[in-house]
Amino acid sequence: SQTIHQWPATLVQPVGSPLSLECTVEGTSNPNLYWYRQAAGRGLQLLFYSVGIGQISSEVPQNLSASRPQDRQFILSSKKLLLSDSGFYLCAWSVSGNRETQYFGPGTRLLVL
Amino acid sequence: TQLLEQSPQFLSIQEGENLTVYCNSSSVFSSLQWYRQEPGEGPVLLVTVVTGGEVKKLKRLTFQFGDARKDSSLHITAAQPGDTGLYLCARAGGGKLIFGQGTELSVKP
Repeated sequence: SQTIHQWPATLVQPVGSPLSLECTVEGTSNPNLYWYRQAAGRGLQLLFYSVGIGQISSEVPQNLSASRPQDRQFILSSKKLLLSDSGFYLCAWSVSGNRETQYFGPGTRLLVL
Repeated sequence: TQLLEQSPQFLSIQEGENLTVYCNSSSVFSSLQWYRQEPGEGPVLLVTVVTGGEVKKLKRLTFQFGDARKDSSLHITAAQPGDTGLYLCARAGGGKLIFGQGTELSVKP
């Protein structure tokens, strides 16, 4: 069966510090991968998605970037965090060719102070 | 618009009560997903509905897709404290999933 992991689970970072959140998927090959941000436990905003290694699409201009160095690894980064980057970050995967059915990781709670 | 509107935004009920939450759009969509999210965790897919008028049941949860495929509802019978969470609907649009803002349900024992 497929599983998706995210770490860390919780992170407290000062403003201006760098960020690296990691997501890995097991049990599937060539998945679509997604990064979402969720504010205040409400709807999800899609940040980035990837259909393959090195292929990244950005949905909204922001202070963040994403990379996919391996087939089942997706990384969310920032060079300098802003207060507004605080939130709950969720990674998700879907079967290649199907973006409608997505499976989510446990999330990372980021607090920027 | 491709936006999804969920109502109510918040719902607090007693154990054993029934409830219905709604997900509406002005556009037709090909399919719709319902997710449930517990605090501090990722959303978990409950069901996907694809056919207008379709009804799917998952234990005490009944999901319905509107005939015109512009709306959906989730009905919970005899709610239990374990049903507490954020219920999100999502539709495919522009090659991605578009989420509603969710209905936050609290079921008190």
